[in-house]
Amino acid sequence: RKEVEQDPGPFNVPEGATVAFNCTYSNSASQSFFWYRQDCRKEPKLLMSVYSSGNEDGRFTAQLNRASQYISLLIRDSKLSDSATYLCVVRVTGYSTLTFGKGTMLLVSP
Amino acid sequence: DAGVIQSPRHEVTEMGQEVTLRCKPISGHNSLFWYRQTMMRGLELLIYFNNNVPIDDSGMPEDRFSAKMPNASFSTLKIQPSEPRDSAVYFCASSSVPGQVGGQETQYFGPGTRLLVL
Repeated sequence: RKEVEQDPGPFNVPEGATVAFNCTYSNSASQSFFWYRQDCRKEPKLLMSVYSSGNEDGRFTAQLNRASQYISLLIRDSKLSDSATYLCVVRVTGYSTLTFGKGTMLLVSP
Repeated sequence: DAGVIQSPRHEVTEMGQEVTLRCKPISGHNSLFWYRQTMMRGLELLIYFNNNVPIDDSGMPEDRFSAKMPNASFSTLKIQPSEPRDSAVYFCASSSVPGQVGGQETQYFGPGTRLLVL
């Protein structure tokens, strides 16, 4: 079983739509969780950290469900500029390294 | 401020040749990570350094791969001899907080080196 699993997509949505991605992780010792964004032919960049109580940053909302070991990202009012691959990332307790999912591709169309 | 700098940005070489990738982390960062990204396997950690010392190289594919960090501002990843299956994008990343349990420190990625081995 892969450590971090994501639906690769692509998710095709019109501008203004709401879209949600889920991610599951296998290691129950995972402590820290993040969403990174990667534009085509660019490097990954941190989008937001994911906190136990859930957190929001503008149009983006991240949720964590430790019991079910999944993380979600909700994007409201999608913009063309949101088109990218969204990487789910976890870190296991006691380690510095990050484990990346393969990413979910989002395409927002006019 | 300059981000993570990688060179070359693109490299095309023939099987059997030596390839050296270079990375300059963000000034003041004391953790450095080398990743490889392919469509099939996604983003994989190869090795990481903390205060210039290799901490975990379990992701290095085989003996053909080696990495060094002679000082806080420079690291190399070398492949010798290179093979077509090494073709990938190689990213270097750095962060400022080493090994903080449960920390939320951000890893900053360089633009990557696109390697094609023919």
